[in-house]
Amino acid sequence: QKEVEQDPGPLSVPEGAIVSLNCTYSNSAFQYFMWYRQYSRKGPELLMYTYSSGNKEDGRFTAQVDKSSKYISLFIRDSQPSDSATYLCATRGSGNTGKLIFGQGTTLQVKP
Amino acid sequence: NAGVTQTPKFQVLKTGQSMTLQCAQDMNHEYMSWYRQDPGMGLRLIHYSVGAGITDQGEVPNGYNVSRSTTEDFPLRLLSAAPSQTSVYFCASSVSRGYNEQFFGPGTRLTVL
Repeated sequence: QKEVEQDPGPLSVPEGAIVSLNCTYSNSAFQYFMWYRQYSRKGPELLMYTYSSGNKEDGRFTAQVDKSSKYISLFIRDSQPSDSATYLCATRGSGNTGKLIFGQGTTLQVKP
Repeated sequence: NAGVTQTPKFQVLKTGQSMTLQCAQDMNHEYMSWYRQDPGMGLRLIHYSVGAGITDQGEVPNGYNVSRSTTEDFPLRLLSAAPSQTSVYFCASSVSRGYNEQFFGPGTRLTVL
């Protein structure tokens, strides 16, 4: 079992839709959770990160962590064609190694 | 700042050949790492370094070597290329091991025939 699981999609939505992207993780010791966005043929870039449980909002993006169910989510409001990309959830591995553990990534297409 | 740079962008190798993927960063970051990205597998950590002279293995280190003689450079060596090493390789750097944001390079697309 992978430590971080993510449905690869693809997910296709019309412009303006609310998008929900989700991951589950297996180790309750994980505390930092990140969402990276990767455009086609580019390197990933950090979108946002959260610590422990709760919500974090940045513009149209909201990251949510539910530690009781080991579930992390990214919501995109008023989705735009420019949001079309692969979204990767990640967590910092246990121990102070700096290692990131990634989900498989979900490919999102927002149609005009 | 150029950020994280990787060369080459594309490479085709024959089975058994060796090569080095170059990675450099100009942000004075302590932490550097190499990932490979395969369809349906996400990003998997190959090797990482928490500072010059210090390296360690990640999740999939077999067939790869690294060294870190300077803060700026972190080359990845394929010793004897195999078709299973066909992948997209990303180098990343971060201020330190405790920092959440890692900055990724543009990637190297490697095909091993």
